[in-house]
Amino acid sequence: EVQLVESGGGLVQPGRSLKLSCAASGFTFSNYYMAWVRQAPKKGLEWVATISTSGSRTYYPDSVKGRFTISRDNAKSSLYLQMNSLKSEDTATYYCARHQGSPNWFAYWGQGTLVTVSS
Amino acid sequence: DVVLTQSPATLSVTPGERISLSCRASESVDTYLHWYQQKPNESPRLLIKYASQSISGIPSRFSGSGSGTDFTLSINGVELEDLSIYYCQQGNSLPYTFGAGTKLELK
Repeated sequence: EVQLVESGGGLVQPGRSLKLSCAASGFTFSNYYMAWVRQAPKKGLEWVATISTSGSRTYYPDSVKGRFTISRDNAKSSLYLQMNSLKSEDTATYYCARHQGSPNWFAYWGQGTLVTVSS
Repeated sequence: DVVLTQSPATLSVTPGERISLSCRASESVDTYLHWYQQKPNESPRLLIKYASQSISGIPSRFSGSGSGTDFTLSINGVELEDLSIYYCQQGNSLPYTFGAGTKLELK
């Protein structure tokens, strides 16, 4: 059974940094592109980042490019999201998600971790 | 960026009826259009991939159709457990984008 368990969320002040983690199990982690998707409170879904199987290629929307960094450790079956220069509009539940096949859709999702950016 | 417009925003339903939800793209996304269901206080779940391809474990009452800019998610015989928010998502071009969602509520 595919399991994705996020951690690392919490309350952080504007301008500070936070690093999220996602522990994957139930599949061969190194074979799949992975992603982060977020959801602001009572709002819709927004894709945040995608990383290739080896970690050599990463993709971001303009809203987080230059501030967020996605990375992975295939030996530990773990995915990360380093978030710098956080803004109030980054407040959201962050979901770890697994791509499948051509990495343009999200086959599996974690339960999410809440990040609140506030002073 | 590709903008996905979902309609209606809210749909009041009666159990057993057949319903259709719409997703319209601002430019062609071919069939790179996927549907997700999000129940209250849960994570999203993939329902349909590539506009019409079924997903293992998803009830057969869910089906999708369309290509280019106009897409439809149909539920043939709505059940109470289907009361959720439904999102479409395009994977044709970066950045991947989602629609704002359609909420199914009980009439």
